[in-house]
Amino acid sequence: AQTVTQSQPEMSVQEAETVTLSCTYDTSENNYYLFWYKQPPSRQMILVIRQEAYKQQNATENRFSVNFQKAAKSFSLKISDSQLGDTAMYFCAFMISGNTPLVFGKGTRLSVIA
Amino acid sequence: NAGVTQTPKFQVLKTGQSMTLQCAQDMNHEYMSWYRQDPGMGLRLIHYSVGAGITDQGEVPNGYNVSRSTTEDFPLRLLSAAPSQTSVYFCASSYSRPSNQPQHFGDGTRLSIL
Repeated sequence: AQTVTQSQPEMSVQEAETVTLSCTYDTSENNYYLFWYKQPPSRQMILVIRQEAYKQQNATENRFSVNFQKAAKSFSLKISDSQLGDTAMYFCAFMISGNTPLVFGKGTRLSVIA
Repeated sequence: NAGVTQTPKFQVLKTGQSMTLQCAQDMNHEYMSWYRQDPGMGLRLIHYSVGAGITDQGEVPNGYNVSRSTTEDFPLRLLSAAPSQTSVYFCASSYSRPSNQPQHFGDGTRLSIL
């Protein structure tokens, strides 16, 4: 069974600084998909970024980027120029294909401090 | 498009009562799923469906029933509510192909069992 581990239950960062959230996963599959979701206090689940395992290039979306290390089964999220609106729970998630369940980590609570 | 619509947003039940959490999507997504979110546990999969007439169990299916009679709807039934089912419930949907499609989430239902 696939598992996702987020080892940092809580983190904080100063506004405008950079922070990196860690995620590791365990799978015997070669092809799969990885996601980071953001959950602000409003409780909505918002997709931040996704990465296909067959792509070597790390995904980027504006201030958000990932460091995908397939051999190490690591998928960290880097937030640059942190903003107060980035304060949220962040979940790392794994999926083998579109017909299989999404497996979540337990989340990292990020606080951005002014 | 309304996206994924969950009703109700809040509900309080007494132990032993039954109820149905509704989930509807208007994006013609094949894949639908139900998660529960508890503090420190991330999102855990209850049941999922890869298409009308097809359902399968997730990580924590006990005490819950589902059916998928149409593509659009995926209700979650609690037959005899227990305090351990107090949680926030999320419904999600996505296309099955291509496989890299992210799941779209509803706004959640906060359920309290007294």
